[in-house]
Amino acid sequence: DVKVTQSSRYLVKRTGEKVFLECVQDMDHENMFWYRQDPGLGLRLIYFSYDVKMKEKGDIPEGYSVSREKKERFSLILESASTNQTSMYLCASSDLHGRELYSGNTIYFGEGSWLTVV
Amino acid sequence: AQSVTQLGSHVSVSEGALVLLRCNYSSSVPPYLFWYVQYPNQGLQLLLKYTSAATLVKGINGFEAEFKKSETSFHLTKPSAHMSDAAEYFCAVSFSSGSARQLTFGSGTQLTVLP
Repeated sequence: DVKVTQSSRYLVKRTGEKVFLECVQDMDHENMFWYRQDPGLGLRLIYFSYDVKMKEKGDIPEGYSVSREKKERFSLILESASTNQTSMYLCASSDLHGRELYSGNTIYFGEGSWLTVV
Repeated sequence: AQSVTQLGSHVSVSEGALVLLRCNYSSSVPPYLFWYVQYPNQGLQLLLKYTSAATLVKGINGFEAEFKKSETSFHLTKPSAHMSDAAEYFCAVSFSSGSARQLTFGSGTQLTVLP
């Protein structure tokens, strides 16, 4: 069965702290993604990665960085957390189909990480 | 640029009634279309997807959606709502150009099922 695991479901961090959100998938997928979800805004793409050590910015990369040292693991990093980064963060993965990242591929999501920055 | 509009951020139906969640898209090239469901405190789960085969797509839990190119719509329906259908539903679009990098999500529709 498909599995995307986000290690932390609920976190509370202080402003200025460095925050790591970890995500692991067990499907040998090429592509991995980080989204944030906010009420009324749907899901917005922060970063994605289409291969180990490869990354590309999504719609809202400011204030975030990512790391993909191994195929199964994709980390989201908040270098200095701010209150406006309080949100639900969703990790996802999908298989590569040709050179088109999305096309008709199904994207599988983790259960989400609720981050509160105080 | 592609975009997705979900009409109605909240929809309420009675148990046993028809469920209709609306989604309109804009895309300059043939799209791929998806519906995802999110139950409370969980991630998103794929309900169904349209990938240019049959225009009527059947998904899990009795849901289906019809791709109507002339109306640029991909509305989600279920003939008879069940209490367990209460969740948030997201429509999403991607397209098959070589530069496709994004799956664009709508803002979501919260479905409430009344007893």
